[in-house]
Amino acid sequence: RKEVEQDPGPFNVPEGATVAFNCTYSNSASQSFFWYRQDCRKEPKLLMSVYSSGNEDGRFTAQLNRASQYISLLIRDSKLSDSATYLCVVNMGGDGGSQGNLIFGKGTKLSVKP
Amino acid sequence: ETGVTQSPTHLIKTRGQQVTLRCSSQSGHNTVSWYQQALGQGPQFIFQYYREEENGRGNFPPRFSGLQFPNYSSELNVNALELDDSALYLCASSLFPTDTQYFGPGTRLTVL
Repeated sequence: RKEVEQDPGPFNVPEGATVAFNCTYSNSASQSFFWYRQDCRKEPKLLMSVYSSGNEDGRFTAQLNRASQYISLLIRDSKLSDSATYLCVVNMGGDGGSQGNLIFGKGTKLSVKP
Repeated sequence: ETGVTQSPTHLIKTRGQQVTLRCSSQSGHNTVSWYQQALGQGPQFIFQYYREEENGRGNFPPRFSGLQFPNYSSELNVNALELDDSALYLCASSLFPTDTQYFGPGTRLTVL
C-alpha cells in the first residue's frame, strides 16, 4: 500500500463548481499534513496546512480524520485559476527530534473550464 | 515567491557523467531538503540537511550526495548519471523544528 494515496483524477469541472479531493495515508504515526498545489512545470506551493479541527481559507476547506487516516480538500466556487495539480502531503516526523521529511501523493489534476 | 533559489534552471548531461545542483534557502531558514520529481509523479524525498549534516535520507543510492554550507545553502551531487535520473530536482527550505517547507523553482535534469 502506498504511503499517501489520492484520487487519480483528472477532475474537469465548470467554473463555479464545488470540487472535493480525498487522500488517505498509511502510517498512523504521521504528525502533520498539508495540501500543496503545483502548476504545470512549476514547483509545489503550499496551499494550506491541515489541522485536526479542520480549517478554512477563503474558498478552501481542509479536513483531517486521524482515526480514518483521511484528509480532504474542498474548493468552493472554483475559478479558472484553480486549475493545477493538488498534492496531498504528510510529514512523518523524524527520530530524535529531527524534522522529518514530506511524503507526497501522486497528485490530482484539476481543470476548471469556462 | 518563497525566496528559495536554485541553479541551474535546466541541465542536459549524458549517462555516466556527474552533476552538481545548487540551492539557496529562504532568509532565516536553517534546513534544506532535496526531492526528485519524475514526470507524472509526486516529489520523492532524497535527503535533508540541518547544521551542515545529513538529517534523514530517503531510498536513494549513495551516488546521490549532498552538502550544506554555513550560510545554509546546499548542493546536491549525483555521480554516474543514469537515464532514470532525468527529473525535476526540487529543494525546499524550512526553519527547524517547524515542518512547513517552501520549495524553489527546481532544476530540470535531462540525462541522455
